[in-house]
Amino acid sequence: DSGVTQTPKHLITATGQRVTLRCSPRSGDLSVYWYQQSLDQGLQFLIQYYNGEERAKGNILERFSAQQFPDLHSELNLSSLELGDSALYFCASSVVAGFRELFFGEGSRLTVL
Amino acid sequence: DQQVKQNSPSLSVQEGRISILNCDYTNSMFDYFLWYKKYPAEGPTFLISISSIKDKNEDGRFTVFLNKSAKHLSLHIVPSQPGDSAVYFCAASASANFGNEKLTFGTGTRLTIIP
Repeated sequence: DSGVTQTPKHLITATGQRVTLRCSPRSGDLSVYWYQQSLDQGLQFLIQYYNGEERAKGNILERFSAQQFPDLHSELNLSSLELGDSALYFCASSVVAGFRELFFGEGSRLTVL
Repeated sequence: DQQVKQNSPSLSVQEGRISILNCDYTNSMFDYFLWYKKYPAEGPTFLISISSIKDKNEDGRFTVFLNKSAKHLSLHIVPSQPGDSAVYFCAASASANFGNEKLTFGTGTRLTIIP
């Protein structure tokens, strides 16, 4: 158990819909990262937050947005969903922004039909 | 553009033998490298890392070798055990981005240890 909690574990929805994925980092960790893993792909970095502020952005689509709340949990919002958005979405956390050994949650598997 | 490449999608090794997983990178700014291990239905877990100032780092049965001139790293597992069966991801980062480190991951190699 990494200490990072992601909900929901599985989600099935239709094209055009909007979903929210939630992540609670390890106790004491200030930095949260979101990664997307599509079929047979590596983990693609989406976005990073540190203590409530956006720190770095990767290949995140404009239809996607995220935020980190004062209690340090984070949410990833995916809207106008397309079939290609079906993937595993991982959240990871670290104590500080520059710490590279990340702790990953179990992921949220999104299926768009 | 895949900056971190793991060209072997899968590898099977006999129990007790050495497992060697390879990783190549193209971005010369990368100076810190990590290996993560992932079991089904779990998130990746950190296994071992190496800084570019070293060419070898060892932790028990796991050793990572870095060849900077070839932009190549490898993970050696000796001896291989059934519990090592998992997907292994190579990842890299650049200290130039300190403070907003993002890890760039390869596509993973599925290692199967045959009893």
